[in-house]
Parts: sequence; structure tokens; C-alpha cells
Amino acid sequence: NAGVTQTPKFRILKIGQSMTLQCTQDMNHNYMYWYRQDPGMGLKLIYYSVGAGITDKGEVPNGYNVSRSTTEDFPLRLELAAPSQTSVYFCASNTNPGQGDTEAFFGQGTRLTVV
Amino acid sequence: GQQLNQSPQSMFIQEGEDVSMNCTSSSIFNTWLWYKQDPGEGPVLLIALYKAGELTSNGRLTAQFGITRKDSFLNISASIPSDVGIYFCAGQSNNAGNMLTFGGGTRLMVKP
Repeated sequence: NAGVTQTPKFRILKIGQSMTLQCTQDMNHNYMYWYRQDPGMGLKLIYYSVGAGITDKGEVPNGYNVSRSTTEDFPLRLELAAPSQTSVYFCASNTNPGQGDTEAFFGQGTRLTVV
Repeated sequence: GQQLNQSPQSMFIQEGEDVSMNCTSSSIFNTWLWYKQDPGEGPVLLIALYKAGELTSNGRLTAQFGITRKDSFLNISASIPSDVGIYFCAGQSNNAGNMLTFGGGTRLMVKP
């Protein structure tokens, strides 16, 4: 019963490097989200997708890109890592939000440090 | 964007005490959710509220969806050490993507 799986769990990047955070879910959920959580703070939405082939910006999209070629996968790309992107990143998925049975399932997070 | 104010930011209580935390918003939400996050883990859903005025319990947890749809509270009765963690409220509106807006979290510490 995998749910939402994120890789890697930890990563250290140098300023200017690029990387892709992977997220996959096996629940056939249409909605997927990427959040970042800074120390002592709540989660802020970076990007979201309402289905394969459809993505849109959240609250803090600058410096990130996403794609959604399949229902299962929603990778998050950092092209030019900056220290301000040091954070814990969470991927989440949801089946039919707003339909009375909302429950966003979260992955375990990716802790990223940019030095 | 929408803002959620969650209070208190942290609580340090004795085992067995009751706990109360709340969230207020300047905007209306259609759904209120309460999550708990353990160290090194993602948030896990505790309670979901779908109707204004709704009062829902889950074991020792009770949450209410405010009548105005702009606030919610979570109560934990007879706290135990495993209640330690960060509790987040989240509001969901029927906008594009049905996005969740999260509060800043309440860090709960329980002294045995």
C-alpha cells in the first residue's frame, strides 16, 4: 500500500545546480500538489495539477517547474538552485477535492539544502 | 492570497490536560481539515469538516467548522505523550485545483 512516494529523502545541492524531485502515487488520483515547508512554518503551494497534461502555479512557483505526463507522476524541477530554496518539499495527491470526501495524502517529504 | 491564522504557535502541557487550538481566516472555506505532522513525516489527516456548524469527533479529538465558514477549532482531550507533534489546519475552497491553504501550525509538547 504505497500511497504517495517521494524521492530522494535528502539532498544537498550547490548554488546553480539543478535537480528533479520525484513524486509518484498509485491511488489513481487526478489532483496532485507540490508544497514547501520552511522551518516553523506551514505548507505553501508551489504547483498543482488537476490531471495528466494540466499544471498550474500555486502561491510560490518562482524557481520551479513541473510536468504531468501521466496520472501517477508529478516531478518538480529546480533549474538553478538558490539558498532560498532550502526547505522540505512535500508532494500530495487527492481524488475528488470539494466533493465531500477530501483527503489529501502526503508523501514523506524531501529535505533539500542548497549551499 | 488567502491567509489562515493559527494559534497558539506552540503549547507545552502536562499529560492528561486538554488542548485547544484554532484557525481563523479572512476568506470563506468550504472544507476545513486538521492534520498532524510527526518529525520527519508528511502531514496525516485527523479530521475533515464539510459543513458550516459541523462538530466531528475522532477518539479524543473534536473539531468544529465555524458557522461563518471562516474559522475552525480542534480540541484534544486527556493528552498523552504520543500527541506530541505539529498540528495544522487547512482550508479548502472550490477554486481552481481545490487547493488547500495551510495555517502556520501549532507545535504541541506533552510533559509526562
